[in-house]
Amino acid sequence: DAGITQSPRHKVTETGTPVTLRCHQTENHRYMYWYRQDPGHGLRLIHYSYGVKDTDKGEVSDGYSVSRSKTEDFLLTLESATSSQTSVYFCAISLTSGFSYNEQFFGPGTRLTVL
Amino acid sequence: TQLLEQSPQFLSIQEGENLTVYCNSSSVFSSLQWYRQEPGEGPVLLVTVVTGGEVKKLKRLTFQFGDARKDSSLHITAAQPGDTGLYLCAGTNAGKSTFGDGTTLTVKP
Repeated sequence: DAGITQSPRHKVTETGTPVTLRCHQTENHRYMYWYRQDPGHGLRLIHYSYGVKDTDKGEVSDGYSVSRSKTEDFLLTLESATSSQTSVYFCAISLTSGFSYNEQFFGPGTRLTVL
Repeated sequence: TQLLEQSPQFLSIQEGENLTVYCNSSSVFSSLQWYRQEPGEGPVLLVTVVTGGEVKKLKRLTFQFGDARKDSSLHITAAQPGDTGLYLCAGTNAGKSTFGDGTTLTVKP
């Protein structure tokens, strides 16, 4: 089974502060994703990565940046947190390598509150 | 932007009833995934459908992909309280998935 850990699991911060969320996988899956989930909404893609130092924007990337210096770690940074970024953040890896498939395995999530 | 609409948004039924959840789009997808999510946890993959008209069964769950690969349905037979959760569909193209807003299912004993 793919193992994904996210840290921290919960965080409360203040408006204007930078925040970094970490996603760590125990296997060498190439594709990794960051999503946010808000009440009444499904998952919305923030950024994704298709390899070390290879990243691209998703549909809600404004205010977020990512980095991937090692295969196993994918970091999401909120450069200056705002209350609209209060959400639950999920990291995922793609279990299938085909371009037509995207069977994802999700981490446990990080609940972020921006006051 | 590829949009996926799920209906109904909320569904509350009694144990033993049957139900169908729908996932519709104007876009064509290479494949479509269904996930189930419980409170406080990440989504868990249930199934992938790829071919237009495809039907897959997973115990009491039946998944169908539309002929034009734009829509899908999930049918649950004889629902049980353990089926309670948020059901999400996700359409995939070029390695990226677009998620619907989900259907929250509550099965009462």
